[in-house]
Amino acid sequence: QVQLLESGGGVVQPGGSLRLSCATSGFSFGDYGMHWVRQAPGKGLEWVAAIWYDGSNQYYVDSVKGRFTISRDTSKNTLFLQMNSLRTEDTAFYYCGKDSNIMTGYLDYWGQGTLVTVSP
Amino acid sequence: DIQMTQSPSTLSASVGDRVTITCRPSQSINSRVAWYQQKPGKAPKLLIYKASSLESGVPSRFSGSGSGPDFTLTISILQPDDFATYYCQQYNTFPWTFGQGTKVEIK
Repeated sequence: QVQLLESGGGVVQPGGSLRLSCATSGFSFGDYGMHWVRQAPGKGLEWVAAIWYDGSNQYYVDSVKGRFTISRDTSKNTLFLQMNSLRTEDTAFYYCGKDSNIMTGYLDYWGQGTLVTVSP
Repeated sequence: DIQMTQSPSTLSASVGDRVTITCRPSQSINSRVAWYQQKPGKAPKLLIYKASSLESGVPSRFSGSGSGPDFTLTISILQPDDFATYYCQQYNTFPWTFGQGTKVEIK
């Protein structure tokens, strides 16, 4: 069965960096687009970034452009999110998600999330 | 960015009720709308894609409709397991955007 497992969250000071990982199994990782979606505690969902099935294209929400980088390692079936210059407003649960195809835009499987807290 | 205006924000209902949640996009989205269910402390779960296609394994009491401007998620006969928060999402135009969510509470 499809499984997505995020790791790498934690507490960091403003201006700091974190690298999130999403280990996947149960599907052919290299055939699907992948996403990161975040949710501030008690708030709604915000799509953050997406990467094409082959890594050829990446898209970001404006608020993280130039600070976050999405990448993937097909040999390890793993998705990454490098987060630099973190701000307090980046505090959220970060979910990785599998696209339904190479890149349709909706997520048919989600991980359980990892919490990132940006605090002085 | 496309705004997804979801209503109501909270809905109080009883087991057995018919429940309807609506999303109105600020621009045309060519029926590229998905609906998700989220329970406290859990990840969202896909229910509906392309406005009306039921995801595999999702109970048939869930249905989606609409082709613009409004899109609707309906739960035909509310079950105890359905008390949760529901989100719509447009995936027609980057950045993909979600509605604000509708919390379905026990009346």
